[in-house]
Amino acid sequence: GQNIDQPTEMTATEGAIVQINCTYQTSGFNGLFWYQQHAGEAPTFLSYNVLDGLEEKGRFSSFLSRSKGYSYLLLKELQMKDSASYLCAVMDSNYQLIWGAGTKLIIKP
Amino acid sequence: GAVVSQHPSRVICKSGTSVKIECRSLDFQATTMFWYRQFPKQSLMLMATSNEGSKATYEQGVEKDKFLINHASLTLSTLTVTSAHPEDSSFYICSARQGDMNTEAFFGQGTRLTVV
Repeated sequence: GQNIDQPTEMTATEGAIVQINCTYQTSGFNGLFWYQQHAGEAPTFLSYNVLDGLEEKGRFSSFLSRSKGYSYLLLKELQMKDSASYLCAVMDSNYQLIWGAGTKLIIKP
Repeated sequence: GAVVSQHPSRVICKSGTSVKIECRSLDFQATTMFWYRQFPKQSLMLMATSNEGSKATYEQGVEKDKFLINHASLTLSTLTVTSAHPEDSSFYICSARQGDMNTEAFFGQGTRLTVV
């Protein structure tokens, strides 16, 4: 079956760096997405990776290794407003989105 | 997490016909549901937000008369694409939220619509 795994919850300190991992097993691959979702709000798009390597966008970076079925989202200089859930989603060969359950990130002062 | 079921997962229809997509929260009551649209290799685009028993709030640029949203019960919301055209072909996904603003939303599996 198709599966996306990411940690349920992580805690980090304001100003620090945190890495959220995502591993996947899907029937085909047409890209991997990271979304941020604050409680009670619609998710917002963070990044899209389809080729191996690191994509940097400000304080956020996303890495992909297709051979390993692995991605991570790296958040630098953490701010309190970064407290949210981070969703990993993979688009399979049928362009269906397979969603991870999300990682709840808690930022402490 | 909670389960949101979206049906159908894939539909092909002729131009000019209407298509209804259902979004159900299976084990919780969804006070708010979100409908998204996504083109290949692009991000989700929020189309509208619906609250049970009231009219949906549409995002700018989304035609209310073309994309009819009904959220008549706490477990079901429907999106009807009326008079569909090939440019409406896309991936539609719903998400549902339980309770108030402090609760998270859960996603359906999505519906791949192809208009021929």
